Amino acid sequence: DAGVTQSPTHLIKTRGQQVTLRCSPKSGHDTVSWYQQALGQGPQFIFQYYEEEERQRGNFPDRFSGHQFPNYSSELNVNALLLGDSALYLCASSLVAGKTNTGELFFGEGSRLTVL
Amino acid sequence: GNSVTQMEGPVTLSEEAFLTINCTYTATGYPSLFWYVQYPGEGLQLLLKATKADDKGSNKGFEATYRKETTSFHLEKGSVQVSDSAVYFCALPYNFNKFYFGSGTKLNVKP
Repeated sequence: DAGVTQSPTHLIKTRGQQVTLRCSPKSGHDTVSWYQQALGQGPQFIFQYYEEEERQRGNFPDRFSGHQFPNYSSELNVNALLLGDSALYLCASSLVAGKTNTGELFFGEGSRLTVL
Repeated sequence: GNSVTQMEGPVTLSEEAFLTINCTYTATGYPSLFWYVQYPGEGLQLLLKATKADDKGSNKGFEATYRKETTSFHLEKGSVQVSDSAVYFCALPYNFNKFYFGSGTKLNVKP
């Protein structure tokens, strides 16, 4: 059973550039959430996708956008990169509430973004 | 609003020592509470959870009891091993699997 997979694992960008991160959820999961984890901090919720729509959003600017595809995979896009966007970006999958919801998130290993 | 506060690290212990990592929460209602663990170079994985007051979650020798009266969910282990070295996060789910995480406590266990 494949778990949550993310790509790329590491990438380096310069300020002002754009980046796309990708995530495939755990088999059987239909909800994907993205988190930003700055060095030495806990993950911060960016947004959540279910049925190809953004369902919830954290306190992140519009430079952060996403997409969910019919196969439940997801992308996170960040435009006009800032130095402060350097972080580990974690994708987490789960089942939507009401469908055998254990309340557990399954995380990928993350994509480490460095902005120079 | 909902929030989680956990003790700052790093915590350094010798093998077989007793571990406590404190976690307190602020929440509307009585949500489930979770501990996640992040080993070096990996994503987070669920360690244990408790779904209601006075529940005790346990896994791999770790335990945590959901204390409504003190709004706490402290993580304990009676005898830590070097392999327990990791970062531990207390977490509070809110509104359909949106989670608030604490800032993390790094545990270093020395042989």
